[in-house]
Amino acid sequence: DTAVSQTPKYLVTQMGNDKSIKCEQNLGHDTMYWYKQDSKKFLKIMFSYNNKELIINETVPNRFSPKSPDKAHLNLHINSLELGDSAVYFCASSRAATEVYGYTFGSGTRLTVV
Amino acid sequence: GESVGLHLPTLSVQEGDNSIINCAYSNSASDYFIWYKQESGKGPQFIIDIRSNMDKRQGQRVTVLLNKTVKHLSLQIAATQPGDSAVYFCAENENNFNKFYFGSGTKLNVKP
Repeated sequence: DTAVSQTPKYLVTQMGNDKSIKCEQNLGHDTMYWYKQDSKKFLKIMFSYNNKELIINETVPNRFSPKSPDKAHLNLHINSLELGDSAVYFCASSRAATEVYGYTFGSGTRLTVV
Repeated sequence: GESVGLHLPTLSVQEGDNSIINCAYSNSASDYFIWYKQESGKGPQFIIDIRSNMDKRQGQRVTVLLNKTVKHLSLQIAATQPGDSAVYFCAENENNFNKFYFGSGTKLNVKP
């Protein structure tokens, strides 16, 4: 009964390819997020959706495009992958966007671009 | 975003001892803080939180202290166990949105 599940767990791909990561939460939360964790373990927010609406869009290359078909799902599509995109990508969810709550994180997707 | 950092990147403690992990933040407007634990191959897991109207909060074997004057918070783990070995992050909240800025993490090694 995983609360926040991401697929795939591992993704190895060549430079220039396009790939997607999927995320689903069964917690009934309204808000979902994508975070990127680099090789030094630094976590940085990328995007946030509240009830399918984009509410946070940090300075991320436009090769990254999030999509939320419904509030339980948030996918991340990456075009023209670059070596620097290699990282662990975490999906997270929280109860709401305008009130402050802690996140529930998925287990991450380790993306390796070769 | 504002800077959230940690003093010690790695902390080694003996099993049974108490651990203290420190975190400095620079945004004086931040009013909500969370400590997360990240075990190898897993996502960060919520441990304990504290709001800026408090200076101390206790959980099960964990205590968070907040000193707003010097913009510092700490996580104290009592009777540290091998299962506590992980990377610990502090995160601060930016007002109005549920957006957190994370520190760079401290790795806690518990020696048996």
